[in-house]
Amino acid sequence: AQKVTQAQTEISVVEKEDVTLDCVYETRDTTYYLFWYKQPPSGELVFLIRRNSFDEQNEISGRYSWNFQKSTSSFNFTITASQVVDSAVYFCALFTSGGGADGLTFGKGTHLIIQP
Amino acid sequence: NAGVTQTPKFQVLKTGQSMTLQCAQDMNHEYMSWYRQDPGMGLRLIHYSVGAGITDQGEVPNGYNVSRSTTEDFPLRLLSAAPSQTSVYFCASSYDRVNTEAFFGQGTRLTVV
Repeated sequence: AQKVTQAQTEISVVEKEDVTLDCVYETRDTTYYLFWYKQPPSGELVFLIRRNSFDEQNEISGRYSWNFQKSTSSFNFTITASQVVDSAVYFCALFTSGGGADGLTFGKGTHLIIQP
Repeated sequence: NAGVTQTPKFQVLKTGQSMTLQCAQDMNHEYMSWYRQDPGMGLRLIHYSVGAGITDQGEVPNGYNVSRSTTEDFPLRLLSAAPSQTSVYFCASSYDRVNTEAFFGQGTRLTVV
């Protein structure tokens, strides 16, 4: 069975600080996909990134970066120079194609609060 | 350019009532799914469909039915609402089952009293 753990329930930082959101996943499948979604206070879910299990390259998109490490089954998300608009709940999710229900397994989310 | 459209946005039901949450997408996506979001639980998969005429159960299917008669529509039916079904429901679609980029609807906030 698949599992995604986001151990940080809530993080609060002051604007301009860097912050890392942790994500640890469990799966027996060798082919899988990892995702991060953002849920701002308005409630919609915004896709941020998708990574497949064969691509361990780190990715940077503006102030956002992602560190994928298969050795530790982690897919961490870092926001550099945080801004108030980054305040949201962030979800890490896993999709595997090796049987079972075809859908995303979500972590419980990390509520990120950026204080001005 | 509607994307994934869910209706209604808010609904209050009495215990035992039935209703249908509507979901439509205009991106010609084969894969559609329903999730529920509960506080501190993340999102959990209810049902999904890999194409018209094909549906299957997710992690928490009890109390819900789905059908997929067209590519565009994937309604979720609550047969006899219970307070435990109070939740926010999200419909999602993607090009294929591998969730290349799942597009989510705005959500339906359902309260069962």
